[in-house]
Amino acid sequence: QSALTQPASVSGSPGQSITISCTGTSSDVGGYNYVSWYQQHPGKAPKLMIYDVSNRPSGVSNRFSGSKSGNTASLTISGLQAEDEADYYCSSYTSSSTFCVFGTGTKVTVL
Amino acid sequence: EVQLVESGGGLVQPGGSLRLSCAASGFTFSSYSMNWVRQAPGKGLEWVSYISSSSSTIYYADSVKGRFTISRDNAKNSLYLQMNSLRVEDTAVYYCAKSGYVATFDYWGQGTLVTVSS
Repeated sequence: QSALTQPASVSGSPGQSITISCTGTSSDVGGYNYVSWYQQHPGKAPKLMIYDVSNRPSGVSNRFSGSKSGNTASLTISGLQAEDEADYYCSSYTSSSTFCVFGTGTKVTVL
Repeated sequence: EVQLVESGGGLVQPGGSLRLSCAASGFTFSSYSMNWVRQAPGKGLEWVSYISSSSSTIYYADSVKGRFTISRDNAKNSLYLQMNSLRVEDTAVYYCAKSGYVATFDYWGQGTLVTVSS
């Protein structure tokens, strides 16, 4: 099971919007609405930001939104803030024997 | 407040064994599936293993299948990962993670470092 494909880095200025893509196959991202997104600051544990493609857990800012089209899911961060600078990972349920697969990760830089 | 506390990490030689533990509190442990996720130094996240609430369903990543065994003790609110035949490439921080929704990890521990080196 190969990792889902994410861009290595994305950057934006404060207040701007950025979008991170997560590309898989019909066996994972494209086949199920079970895509999640995680934020990880250096030296910290990951934090769930989006689940089931577009749902936000309680306490997560509404500046974070998720969507999916075909085999590609996307995380959009609007009104970019300095505290959003972190690594972001997508994950998906997969119908292969391995159950779950993560993306390669994207480093978000706030300019 | 949900708390997950991993322990058992350390330095081990290639071919050796280690058992990780995760102590859970702040939620009804016996009602939720649990997972182990790892992160090699400077690398991305890798899902390792899943166990359902009753231990009836278990999954492993291909990279650890046949070498690692996940288990849980609902009476002790604890999750375990028995790691055998360890390889240098198993070096990573291992996180215990609670399942919220399908293939979703809503709470994570702080992680425990496993270093496999001679």
